[in-house]
Amino acid sequence: DAMVIQNPRYQVTQFGKPVTLSCSQTLNHNVMYWYQQKSSQAPKLLFHYYDKDFNNEADTPDNFQSRRPNTSFCFLDIRSPGLGDAAMYLCATSGLGEYNEQFFGPGTRLTVL
Amino acid sequence: RKEVEQDPGPFNVPEGATVAFNCTYSNSASQSFFWYRQDCRKEPKLLMSVYSSGNEDGRFTAQLNRASQYISLLIRDSKLSDSATYLCVVTNTGGFKTIFGAGTRLFVKA
Repeated sequence: DAMVIQNPRYQVTQFGKPVTLSCSQTLNHNVMYWYQQKSSQAPKLLFHYYDKDFNNEADTPDNFQSRRPNTSFCFLDIRSPGLGDAAMYLCATSGLGEYNEQFFGPGTRLTVL
Repeated sequence: RKEVEQDPGPFNVPEGATVAFNCTYSNSASQSFFWYRQDCRKEPKLLMSVYSSGNEDGRFTAQLNRASQYISLLIRDSKLSDSATYLCVVTNTGGFKTIFGAGTRLFVKA
């Protein structure tokens, strides 16, 4: 089945220790998104890629970076995680067009000690 | 003011009830509108898109009022399996800038 895969599902890191979260897709979608979702809050868009074109949201902290080496893979790098970065990180993909559904991966739950 | 606002609930309803959720958005240039469903500790999944003319999918009816910047979702004949958080979603700027509401929690009781 075509899908969006995120690894790892659970990640524990120490305060200030860089961490990388991975997302891959078999849907061959042009657009990939990274969201941060904290408990009982809305998913918040961090950035998206349209093919290799990177688009950062204005309020996304510099601590968050992303790479998309090819169509299938996208990475979220947190350079110096703080306690406030503990959250669920969701990757999503979509095709192009006005009413394109976003398909989400199962998320990576990040804990910062 | 939040860009997308929803009543957080929770809504507690018996099986078979009809329940309505409302959502307002602040950007009049918003282009596309959706309702997503999110089960506890799971990822969001598309429930339905919301078109200008309104649309229905089985027990679910969505309405859009662009003049009032208001979206609604009606669930008829609620099932236990409808228990979830319902997220109102608005996209701008070519469909890429996506803004989620905080969600409305629904509990359907037997």
